[in-house]
Amino acid sequence: GNSVTQMEGPVTLSEEAFLTINCTYTATGYPSLFWYVQYPGEGLQLLLKATKADDKGSNKGFEATYRKETTSFHLEKGSVQVSDSAVYFCALRDNNDMRFGAGTRLTVKP
Amino acid sequence: NAGVTQTPKFRILKIGQSMTLQCTQDMNHNYMYWYRQDPGMGLKLIYYSVGAGITDKGEVPNGYNVSRSTTEDFPLRLELAAPSQTSVYFCASSYGTSLSTDTQYFGPGTRLTVL
Repeated sequence: GNSVTQMEGPVTLSEEAFLTINCTYTATGYPSLFWYVQYPGEGLQLLLKATKADDKGSNKGFEATYRKETTSFHLEKGSVQVSDSAVYFCALRDNNDMRFGAGTRLTVKP
Repeated sequence: NAGVTQTPKFRILKIGQSMTLQCTQDMNHNYMYWYRQDPGMGLKLIYYSVGAGITDKGEVPNGYNVSRSTTEDFPLRLELAAPSQTSVYFCASSYGTSLSTDTQYFGPGTRLTVL
């Protein structure tokens, strides 16, 4: 079946540090891959997505590349800000099946 | 534009009680979804709907029921609440004919505790 495995947190970084959150997936078909972000007390918001192998999704300085050979979709940002503090979820969608990782809490300190 | 709204925000139930979680979207989206989020876990899909009158089970449907009589509303019903249903429930909606590429918009969530 389909599943998503995500780097466990929490992750604490200083402002302007480089961020990587690892995400790997297992899928029976050809899924689309997503990163969602959840700020305290709010629902999830789409951060970026990629729909096929080698696609790169990017938004707000974050980026992730759909790697079919390693079944990965790692999230990166070159210089994090305090406002990036949130929980990040990797997810896949394979037709009607939607799967989420457990989430990684990021805290960025000034 | 309100997006996806959910009521109530918080609720405490006793074991065996029933309740309905309300979800409304004003974006004219065809697809709607219910998820639960347990502490430290990702979201799990309970039920989804691809249009008015059509619903289908997700990964964890047991103990829940849904209906979709209008495009805007997608209520989730718990008939006999159990402690295992203590969770945060999120409703979401999406627009698009391609299920593999649409973007989901989430409501703020309902925090449910069953004691």
